[in-house]
Amino acid sequence: DAKTTQPPSMDCAEGRAANLPCNHSTISGNEYVYWYRQIHSQGPQYIIHGLKNNETNEMASLIITEDRKSSTLILPHATLRDTAVYYCIVRANTGTASKLTFGTGTRLQVTL
Amino acid sequence: DGGITQSPKYLFRKEGQNVTLSCEQNLNHDAMYWYRQDPGQGLRLIYYSQIVNDFQKGDIAEGYSVSREKKESFPLTVTSAQKNPTAFYLCASSIDPGQKFSSYNEQFFGPGTRLTVL
Repeated sequence: DAKTTQPPSMDCAEGRAANLPCNHSTISGNEYVYWYRQIHSQGPQYIIHGLKNNETNEMASLIITEDRKSSTLILPHATLRDTAVYYCIVRANTGTASKLTFGTGTRLQVTL
Repeated sequence: DGGITQSPKYLFRKEGQNVTLSCEQNLNHDAMYWYRQDPGQGLRLIYYSQIVNDFQKGDIAEGYSVSREKKESFPLTVTSAQKNPTAFYLCASSIDPGQKFSSYNEQFFGPGTRLTVL
């Protein structure tokens, strides 16, 4: 699976949009981009995933560049409860078990 | 409610003792996984199982053992051979991993067990 690069930390004011970048310049054609988040001392939670089109769900939006070498997770109206570590993962959804390779992620701090 | 349960949330053991962490899921998922997380680090895969009575080593399997006798259960034993067992252990499950080119392979995580070896 391709490696990803994320900034170690970011701050965001409550109510503003949080834009979390991820670089995955070695991504292969069959690899998806997944985002998970982990609130302190809890298990990670799935947020969203995509292949090449932009995706949106009730939690967030995922913007993938045309060359697929980077992506941005957008939390449109961040709240204090969105404070967490956000992991960007790329992996292929093929065949064997869907192993996820977690990096160190981005620690998002939402402030008043 | 469907989900994954891990118990206990906190576990203390003396050095040299084996300890077994439980993981149960009622999501009817085929695949189950064990991860370890150390402070300030991402998750690392210990073992995974795609189907009952089958399991595979992950990236850091040394000092650990697992069994998968039932679809719902995937216990992890931390043996005395594990040099640094103190960590946060997370169990996860996912839908049939054998679907090739599936666009959806979300993993659902349990709440974790924090193991401290004294």
